[in-house]
Amino acid sequence: KQEVTQIPAALSVPEGENLVLNCSFTDSAIYNLQWFRQDPGKGLTSLLLIQSSQREQTSGRLNASLDKSSGRSTLYIAASQPGDSATYLCAVRWGGNDMRFGAGTRLTVKP
Amino acid sequence: DAGITQSPRHKVTETGTPVTLRCHQTENHRYMYWYRQDPGHGLRLIHYSYGVKDTDKGEVSDGYSVSRSKTEDFLLTLESATSSQTSVYFCAISEMGGVNTEAFFGQGTRLTVV
Repeated sequence: KQEVTQIPAALSVPEGENLVLNCSFTDSAIYNLQWFRQDPGKGLTSLLLIQSSQREQTSGRLNASLDKSSGRSTLYIAASQPGDSATYLCAVRWGGNDMRFGAGTRLTVKP
Repeated sequence: DAGITQSPRHKVTETGTPVTLRCHQTENHRYMYWYRQDPGHGLRLIHYSYGVKDTDKGEVSDGYSVSRSKTEDFLLTLESATSSQTSVYFCAISEMGGVNTEAFFGQGTRLTVV
């Protein structure tokens, strides 16, 4: 069964710290992997899309890596800010038209 | 932000009544999706569309139907709402399927069935 797991479920860090969020998936034959941010009561905001042939993508303070052979992706956030507090979701597309989501990591950045 | 509008944003309805949620996009994207988000289950695909009048089922399609008569509109209908359909519903769009597919989401519709 194709599943996506995100650990930890919640993370609290002081402002300024660099941090890593983890996403693991079964079945390495993915099409792509997408990281989203979700603020309470809001929709999902796309952060980064990594295609199956790519190893990493960067946008500002965010860097996402992909290791298909180990079934893992990480989202690195540099110099965290209180405004980064949100839930971060990882979604994997294996083909067809369905994305499978992890349960998310709820990040709190304390001033 | 991708031009996706969901309506209504909030709705309370009674068990057994029909409910229709609307997703409208201004991006002219081919693919449109309906997801539901529930505590403990995350986001799950209900139905999706890959073109006008072309739709298919997702992981949790029972009790739901969809229609797409125009590129920009994708409707989700609960024929007879049940309490288990209380959820937050999200519409998503993508330009194409496959490797280069980046999905964009609407703001969600919170549906409560009492």
